[in-house]
Amino acid sequence: DSGVTQTPKHLITATGQRVTLRCSPRSGDLSVYWYQQSLDQGLQFLIQYYNGEERAKGNILERFSAQQFPDLHSELNLSSLELGDSALYFCASSVVSSGGAGADTQYFGPGTRLTVL
Amino acid sequence: AQTVTQSQPEMSVQEAETVTLSCTYDTSESDYYLFWYKQPPSRQMILVIRQEAYKQQNATENRFSVNFQKAAKSFSLKISDSQLGDAAMYFCALRKAAGNKLTFGGGTRVLVKP
Repeated sequence: DSGVTQTPKHLITATGQRVTLRCSPRSGDLSVYWYQQSLDQGLQFLIQYYNGEERAKGNILERFSAQQFPDLHSELNLSSLELGDSALYFCASSVVSSGGAGADTQYFGPGTRLTVL
Repeated sequence: AQTVTQSQPEMSVQEAETVTLSCTYDTSESDYYLFWYKQPPSRQMILVIRQEAYKQQNATENRFSVNFQKAAKSFSLKISDSQLGDAAMYFCALRKAAGNKLTFGGGTRVLVKP
């Protein structure tokens, strides 16, 4: 158990709908990262938050958004869902944000499997 | 941009034998970190081993060790005394020191034969 929790484990929805994925980082971790794992794109970084602020953005679609709350949990919102959004969405957390944090390791949650029908 | 390449889609190993997974990467950074993550059928991403690019000594973690060749930009993982529980997808990943995004390779599936 990495200490990172994600809910729900599975989500099945229809095209055009909106869903929210939730992540609670490890105790003491201020950074949260979201990754998408799909069959055709592999594992891709979406977005990073540090202590409530957006810190880095990757290949995140405009239909997707995220936020980190004062209690440090994070939510990834996916809207106008398409079939191609079906994937496993991981949240990871680490202690620091950036700037030479050498030993900083990202620990992953169990993921949320999203199926869009 | 940084890239990570795993050229072996699948590797098979006999229980108790040794298997080596290949990983090559490309980055313009001089300081960076390399990781191997394991993803068993449960789909959980589990950190196996980490290597700091500034360290010449290869990292070792129990039965797992790496061969880090900085000039060649190669970072292979050796699994010794393979066990049935080692069967999983293994991902090589790269992170710059100054940033925190992980860039992953495409993965190598390891099959362990009893």
